[in-house]
Amino acid sequence: KAGVTQTPRYLIKTRGQQVTLSCSPISGHRSVSWYQQTPGQGLQFLFEYFSETQRNKGNFPGRFSGRQFSNSRSEMNVSTLELGDSALYLCASRWGSYKNNEQFFGPGTRLTVL
Amino acid sequence: AQSVTQLDSQVPVFEEAPVELRCNYSSSVSVYLFWYVQYPNQGLQLLLKYLSGSTLVKGINGFEAEFNKSQTSFHLRKPSVHISDTAEYFCAGRNFLNAGGTSYGKLTFGQGTILTVHP
Repeated sequence: KAGVTQTPRYLIKTRGQQVTLSCSPISGHRSVSWYQQTPGQGLQFLFEYFSETQRNKGNFPGRFSGRQFSNSRSEMNVSTLELGDSALYLCASRWGSYKNNEQFFGPGTRLTVL
Repeated sequence: AQSVTQLDSQVPVFEEAPVELRCNYSSSVSVYLFWYVQYPNQGLQLLLKYLSGSTLVKGINGFEAEFNKSQTSFHLRKPSVHISDTAEYFCAGRNFLNAGGTSYGKLTFGQGTILTVHP
């Protein structure tokens, strides 16, 4: 079974632009979560989608948004990019919403904002 | 609110020596605990998890961890490390919300411990 895939793997943007990152979960998984990883702040939760509904959101500004499609694929969007948005963005999927459902992480998208 | 603290930012060790990576958690609700490993330019891989039951949890690659409720700790151990264990390790916790067992996917991570194994 294929793992979580994220595209693109690397991205370079300039300040003020917007960006869309994509995540394809493991087949059959209905939950997708997004995390931002930076050297200063570590790993921080962005949001989680389950069955096309946002179920939980971290403490990030409204410039960060996401959505999930009927096939469980998810996208996150960052508008009006700032230098501080440079980070590794990780996507994780799990089968359902039960407490023992394990999360599987993708390889991440490395975003550099110049 | 939940927090996870990894007590060491870097741990150097020689090959074949034992290692312990320390993790403390605080939570007012029941929590599940995990250890993940991240190799350079890769995502996170689950090493092991504590959900309930036996407090000694065995994972992949010879790692194990012990859940200690009284000390609110979940330290990761390996009796003999290899060069290939050089990586960054993250402790994480997840609250579950109700007796039915559903939970959000949100994981709260520690700041990470860089394990460097020297020959």
